[in-house]
Amino acid sequence: EAGVVQSPRYKIIEKKQPVAFWCNPISGHNTLYWYRQNLGQGPELLIRYENEEAVDDSQLPKDRFSAERLKGVDSTLKIQPAELGDSAVYLCASRVREGRNEQFFGPGTRLTVL
Amino acid sequence: GENVEQHPSTLSVQEGDSAVIKCTYSDSASNYFPWYKQELGKGPQLIIDIRSNVGEKKDQRIAVTLNKTAKHFSLHITETQPEDSAVYFCAASRDSGGGADGLTFGKGTHLIIQP
Repeated sequence: EAGVVQSPRYKIIEKKQPVAFWCNPISGHNTLYWYRQNLGQGPELLIRYENEEAVDDSQLPKDRFSAERLKGVDSTLKIQPAELGDSAVYLCASRVREGRNEQFFGPGTRLTVL
Repeated sequence: GENVEQHPSTLSVQEGDSAVIKCTYSDSASNYFPWYKQELGKGPQLIIDIRSNVGEKKDQRIAVTLNKTAKHFSLHITETQPEDSAVYFCAASRDSGGGADGLTFGKGTHLIIQP
């Protein structure tokens, strides 16, 4: 079974530029999460999707961040415009909705904003 | 919201010795407590988890204990090996049956296994 796929793995941009991250969850996983991990810290939740519906986006900075999960499968997280403080690793995780609790993480996208 | 505290931030042990990492949580509604291992440049990997209706769970050299009354849980690794060196995160969440909340993570413990 393929794991969670994320791309790109690394991204370097200048501040004020836009950037987008893509996630393909494990097949059949209804729930998808985006987390941000700052250097030396644990991941922090940005948004949770149940199928195509964003059911928890309370931690998403909505002035510059947006996300979508069309057709309840792949998801894209966008930042526009990026700021220096957005430099971090952006992690995607997925989970089967019913039954088991395990969240499986992708390798992440390391964003550097110059 | 939930708050998870994790200690220590760094733990150095001799190969073959045991390692213990402790976490506390604040939200009594949390009922799921996973532990993740993260190696450099990789995403977190689930190594063991426990639900609030269980006090202890073991998988080979790894065990987790949960004290709901005190709101703390611990990871125990026995017979440590060099490949156990990594950053370990504890986390907590609620599963209400309608889907699990996102995980709240601790700040991590850098485990160093000395040869």
